[in-house]
Amino acid sequence: DAGVIQSPRHEVTEMGQEVTLRCKPISGHDYLFWYRQTMMRGLELLIYFNNNVPIDDSGMPEDRFSAKMPNASFSTLKIQPSEPRDSAVYFCASRARDRGGYTFGSGTRLTVV
Amino acid sequence: EDQVTQSPEALRLQEGESSSLNCSYTVSGLRGLFWYRQDPGKGPEFLFTLYSAGEEKEKERLKATLTKKESFLHITAPKPEDSATYLCAVRSGNKLVFGAGTILRVKS
Repeated sequence: DAGVIQSPRHEVTEMGQEVTLRCKPISGHDYLFWYRQTMMRGLELLIYFNNNVPIDDSGMPEDRFSAKMPNASFSTLKIQPSEPRDSAVYFCASRARDRGGYTFGSGTRLTVV
Repeated sequence: EDQVTQSPEALRLQEGESSSLNCSYTVSGLRGLFWYRQDPGKGPEFLFTLYSAGEEKEKERLKATLTKKESFLHITAPKPEDSATYLCAVRSGNKLVFGAGTILRVKS
């Protein structure tokens, strides 16, 4: 089992540019979560999917953020346009059904300059 | 509102000096309390899930316990390789709500 795979590991971009983060969940997991981690706010849930359908996006900070899950093995988080305050580590996590554990990827460190 | 508070924020121990980390929580309908370990530059690594008051789980030098209002992570005779940030989270619905974490440093 390769675990949750995220790409890229690091991304440096200029303010105003579009950024796309990618995630491959563990095969067979029904739930996929996007979290953001900063020193000030810790780990915050942005959005989660169940069976590829977005269930709760109340943590998405602004309309500049969007997430998709076109199939069970792939999800993207897009920021357009990016701003310096978006700089953070973005984690993807997946989970099997009810009492399953949540497995996190290694994260994408985003720096917007 | 679901809330998780961890203390202390940071803890420095000598190798072999046992101690405990605290996680206090308020949640409407606990569906699990989770402990994770996070090393610098890596994602959180799952340690334990506890579901009901009185439950205990152990793994090597770590032991997690749960009451109706808090959880403790006991570290017995820690080693330098136990140095990490330890995160506590509660499951609310399908979401995990995290505390800010405790940064543990174990010196040899």
